[in-house]
Amino acid sequence: AQKVTQAQTEISVVEKEDVTLDCVYETRDTTYYLFWYKQPPSGELVFLIRRNSFDEQNEISGRYSWNFQKSTSSFNFTITASQVVDSAVYFCALSEANSGYALNFGKGTSLLVTP
Amino acid sequence: DSGVTQTPKHLITATGQRVTLRCSPRSGDLSVYWYQQSLDQGLQFLIQYYNGEERAKGNILERFSAQQFPDLHSELNLSSLELGDSALYFCASSVAKGTDSGNTIYFGEGSWLTVV
Repeated sequence: AQKVTQAQTEISVVEKEDVTLDCVYETRDTTYYLFWYKQPPSGELVFLIRRNSFDEQNEISGRYSWNFQKSTSSFNFTITASQVVDSAVYFCALSEANSGYALNFGKGTSLLVTP
Repeated sequence: DSGVTQTPKHLITATGQRVTLRCSPRSGDLSVYWYQQSLDQGLQFLIQYYNGEERAKGNILERFSAQQFPDLHSELNLSSLELGDSALYFCASSVAKGTDSGNTIYFGEGSWLTVV
């Protein structure tokens, strides 16, 4: 069963638009960690954020913000005023004790930002 | 630059062959992870080593094996290669045993393997 669901396979926006990438997870653990990684066309996986299950505070980092809601098991990622350089595949991942804390990735959302 | 170094970056080999992928973790990191990324399977966890010992196993085939050496670098050995093994293989590292310590897993740039 898929533990991390990223329902949006592809999103296309025009530069300067805001865009939200959805992530829904499934776990029975009370302690777990959620991550977002970015994979640009060059292929590397770039760490963006880590959030633990006890910290539901939203986080903002420049144009990036994250909304963690345990009630809906969601950890959504918003890019404000998108730029062409934001074009990439974005992965949400879950880490839980049941799986030895290995990262369990969603299928990814491919974001294309056009000028 | 994450600090995790993987070689080779690209590799083309024939079916039935054996290859070795190498990974140097970030300075100070004791854990090394291997992941496989393919179009049909997505990003799959293969195996983790912590300070030379195997710590966790994921969807790693019996034809694949890995080890972590005393200097903490790691190698992933893929044998009896099949067309379906063509994928991007990532190595990642972290300071602690896992994310339960609140630490982050950093990924290398990956090794592209093409089996023809």
